[in-house]
Order: sequence, then structure tokens, then C-alpha cells
Amino acid sequence: GAVVSQHPSWVICKSGTSVKIECRSLDFQATTMFWYRQFPKQSLMLMATSNEGSKATYEQGVEKDKFLINHASLTLSTLTVTSAHPEDSSFYICSARDIRGEQFFGPGTRLTVL
Amino acid sequence: DAKTTQPPSMDCAEGRAANLPCNHSTISGNEYVYWYRQIHSQGPQYIIHGLKNNETNEMASLIITEDRKSSTLILPHATLRDTAVYYCIVRVAGGNAGNMLTFGGGTRLMVKP
Repeated sequence: GAVVSQHPSWVICKSGTSVKIECRSLDFQATTMFWYRQFPKQSLMLMATSNEGSKATYEQGVEKDKFLINHASLTLSTLTVTSAHPEDSSFYICSARDIRGEQFFGPGTRLTVL
Repeated sequence: DAKTTQPPSMDCAEGRAANLPCNHSTISGNEYVYWYRQIHSQGPQYIIHGLKNNETNEMASLIITEDRKSSTLILPHATLRDTAVYYCIVRVAGGNAGNMLTFGGGTRLMVKP
């Protein structure tokens, strides 16, 4: 089956630093990838939609200059949380969509900002 | 995408069938019903999806009412490892640019020994 990986699985950083999270589709090409954020005891909230070779589309309320998304290839998208602060601590989950339109999710990355 | 309504939580005894309901009264004719689940601190896992016919796979069965306004996910023999949040989502199938999965609150299923 389709597999999506994320790296790292968890990260702890100091306030003010930037953190990059990678999302890879391991056995299929994904023209579209999605980034979600999930706070404790809440559902997944879509942050942005990333299309290969073009700029990401951000959901309302998500700062594009703070959450930089790059989708340079059909198998890799990255999310960079710039100048992270404690309120950015969350579980970040990526999803990749295959040619049939089905979405497959990564295992998530837990970010803790001290 | 159509909105779905699910009970926030349910309990089920281990070994018994777990029946998780979902209401989607505003579903459109070209929208499918998808079910995902999320085990604590993991990414969502696909379970099953259907359009109007009942579907079954190795994980679960999906029963969709004739008017398609509601559905039920059935885990035939629940185990402790089935404890998770179950999300019912309706969306148009296919690779359209705007066709992403939007998550509601889901149902937190607790399987008890």
C-alpha cells in the first residue's frame, strides 16, 4: 500500500529557532500534499495545500511567512516553522494524494517549543 | 464538502461488534463516505469508503442507508487495539485540486476488556 513518511517524528527546539519537517511519499508520486496541525484533544486542522512546483495555498488564519512550505518534487514536501514559539507546539501531520485522488497520511511530527 | 455528525464518544466490549454511526444529511450525489481512524499520537489510517452500496474489507464493514443520509461503520470483533478516534468524512472522489479531507470531531471509541 501507499506509504508516507515524516521526519523527524519528534523535535524539541528553543523559542525563536526554525524547524523543518519533511514529508515523503515512498512508493507513489504525489502531485498534491497537505499539511495538518493537531492540538491536544482536538481534530486535525488543515493548514495548507501544496502542489508540486507551485506555491502552497494556505487556509485562513495560517501565516504563510511563518509556515513555509516547499514541494519541489513529486515525492517530497517540507514544512518549515520559522521563529517557533511555544504556541506553535503541536502535532503536525502531512498527507499525500495519489493519482487516483486518495489521500495517505504520514505518522506525524510532534513539535515542542521551549 | 458535506458536514458530518458523529457522537463524541462510545464504549464497546472487547470481542463485540462496534457500530459507529454518522449522519451526513446534506451529502451530494457525487460524494463518497470515507472512514479514517486515528490511534493516539499517530497519523490517520484509512479504513473504508463507499458511495451507496455497502462495502466490506478486512478491517470493517460500511453500511450506507438507501437515502445516503447516514452510515454506520461496523468493526465486527473489536479488540483493544481498535481504541481510537474514528472520523467519518464525505467528499468527492478523484484528484481535483480542492478535494482534500476535512476532519470533524470524530467519535472516540474506547474498547474495554
